[in-house]
Amino acid sequence: DAKTTQPPSMDCAEGRAANLPCNHSTISGNEYVYWYRQIHSQGPQYIIHGLKNNETNEMASLIITEDRKSSTLILPHATLRDTAVYYCIVRATNNAGNMLTFGGGTRLMVKP
Amino acid sequence: EAGVAQSPRYKIIEKRQSVAFWCNPISGHATLYWYQQILGQGPKLLIQFQNNGVVDDSQLPKDRFSAERLKGVDSTLKIQPAKLEDSAVYLCASSFEGTYGYTFGSGTRLTVV
Repeated sequence: DAKTTQPPSMDCAEGRAANLPCNHSTISGNEYVYWYRQIHSQGPQYIIHGLKNNETNEMASLIITEDRKSSTLILPHATLRDTAVYYCIVRATNNAGNMLTFGGGTRLMVKP
Repeated sequence: EAGVAQSPRYKIIEKRQSVAFWCNPISGHATLYWYQQILGQGPKLLIQFQNNGVVDDSQLPKDRFSAERLKGVDSTLKIQPAKLEDSAVYLCASSFEGTYGYTFGSGTRLTVV
């Protein structure tokens, strides 16, 4: 699976949009981009995933560049409860292992 | 639906002792994973089961770690003997047919002193 690069930490003001970038320049054509987050003392939680098109759900939006070499997770109105480590992962769903390989993630701090 | 259950929540042991962690996945989820998360790092996969068979255990330190999933449901991860560097959170996750929806448990925090 392709590796990803994320900034180690970011701050965001409460109520503002949080834009978390991820670089995955070696992504293959059959690899999806997944985002998980981990709130302190909890297990990682699935947020969203996509292949080519932008995706939106009740938690966030995922913007993938046309060349698919980078993406941005957008939390439209960040709250204090969004403070967490956010992991960007690329994975081929037809991978026999289907395993998630986590990097270091981005520690997002939402401030009042 | 009920989540992935793990126990115990916390465990403190002395080095060279043994310890076991238990995981009950979501009903119907055939795939089960054990991850190790050292403080400040992302989770690292230790072993993956499909039903009661091992799919991948390449990152499992087999000289001291063992895992089983009897009857394709519950799973147990054991460490014997424990070392100081085994101090970590051990996370269990399950998924339905290996699709995107991993569900993680809250983990077991192990401290080896």
